[in-house]
Amino acid sequence: AQSVTQLGSHVSVSEGALVLLRCNYSSSVPPYLFWYVQYPNQGLQLLLKYTSAATLVKGINDFEAEFKKSETSFHLTKPSAHMSDAAEYFCAVSDQTGANNLFFGTGTRLTVIP
Amino acid sequence: GAGVSQSPSNKVTEKGKDVELRCDPISGHTALYWYRQSLGQGLEFLIYFQGNSAPDKSGLPSDRFSAERTGGSVSTLTIQRTQQEDSAVYLCASSPVSGGGYYGYTFGSGTRLTVV
Repeated sequence: AQSVTQLGSHVSVSEGALVLLRCNYSSSVPPYLFWYVQYPNQGLQLLLKYTSAATLVKGINDFEAEFKKSETSFHLTKPSAHMSDAAEYFCAVSDQTGANNLFFGTGTRLTVIP
Repeated sequence: GAGVSQSPSNKVTEKGKDVELRCDPISGHTALYWYRQSLGQGLEFLIYFQGNSAPDKSGLPSDRFSAERTGGSVSTLTIQRTQQEDSAVYLCASSPVSGGGYYGYTFGSGTRLTVV
């Protein structure tokens, strides 16, 4: 079975500071991993995904995430936070057996302080 | 269509009434998913349709919830005898054939249901 744990339901950073949102996964088989962002009153939008190619994955809006198998982690980072980054972020996992279901974490709400 | 379309965007209903929520997936996407997002909660899986296969209903919280998908395209989620705890945002997503776990999902903007 697959699952993800997002540490910290709320994260606050100052504008211009580093953003780090944590995600740890549990999977008995090699995983596919995803980060989604949800802006207020909108659906979820795919930020980036890891599908067993490069372990450092770059996504939209200068976000990136690194797959670390030894740490079972897929943390999301951005060097410099913008006010527009304020949103809810969800980590998700599926497995490489071809299953279709994604398993989502409980989300981390990012607040950016001016 | 260009994206996943959900309607209505907002629905207020009285306790005990039935509601229908509609999802129109991306053209050509054979997989369709319904999730529920309650205030301050993560995403709760409800039901999954893949082509003509029997749907995976394992996430439906009670027999008041049902969903169908006509012609392999549009899906309707029906909640009978609504309760206040049904208040949530209902999200629909679609993905290419057998690819949700690889390509990820494309989500609609959701239907915000409020039961008063």
